[in-house]
Amino acid sequence: GAGVSQTPSNKVTEKGKYVELRCDPISGHTALYWYRQSLGQGPEFLIYFQGTGAADDSGLPNDRFFAVRPEGSVSTLKIQRTERGDSAVYLCASSLFLAGGPYNEQFFGPGTRLTVL
Amino acid sequence: GNSVTQMEGPVTLSEEAFLTINCTYTATGYPSLFWYVQYPGEGLQLLLKATKADDKGSNKGFEATYRKETTSFHLEKGSVQVSDSAVYFCALSYNNDMRFGAGTRLTVKP
Repeated sequence: GAGVSQTPSNKVTEKGKYVELRCDPISGHTALYWYRQSLGQGPEFLIYFQGTGAADDSGLPNDRFFAVRPEGSVSTLKIQRTERGDSAVYLCASSLFLAGGPYNEQFFGPGTRLTVL
Repeated sequence: GNSVTQMEGPVTLSEEAFLTINCTYTATGYPSLFWYVQYPGEGLQLLLKATKADDKGSNKGFEATYRKETTSFHLEKGSVQVSDSAVYFCALSYNNDMRFGAGTRLTVKP
């Protein structure tokens, strides 16, 4: 079946502009995650959704970053007033939610490479 | 908080050499441990996993054993191939909180 998809694959924008990045999770996966991966680093957690609600948004770096998942499926990461330091690959992952256990295998999308000029 | 520390790279090996990439973790509770791989131009893929102490994850000739006493999850392969060239990430997950190491770039030369 289809994996996690992300659009666009590349986004170039100017400093100060607003961008939206989209993630389509695997069908039936209730958990959805956003990460940011800077060059030479591992993915850094941003936010996690369980269904429609943000269960943990502690990784969002500041109030310029916001994410929604209104129907519990597709999610959009929104960045206002972009800065050059926001340039990175933004990864989305989804998983089934297994109640009562720590294990969750996350399936990653190919990422969106954001470049802020 | 939870965190993962993995061996810094890059690592360059000849084909058929033995590979070890060290990974240690700090966590509250009992996390699940993972190795993810990122091949050139591709997204992150799960390589192997272990969900409890003493479990051994294995896939494609790679192995890692969950060692609670040393809080480690070292990745090993007995004979690497050129096609194993990639970036390898150690990760832990607890209560849906996933933390990754910085990644180790492996280059295998023929």
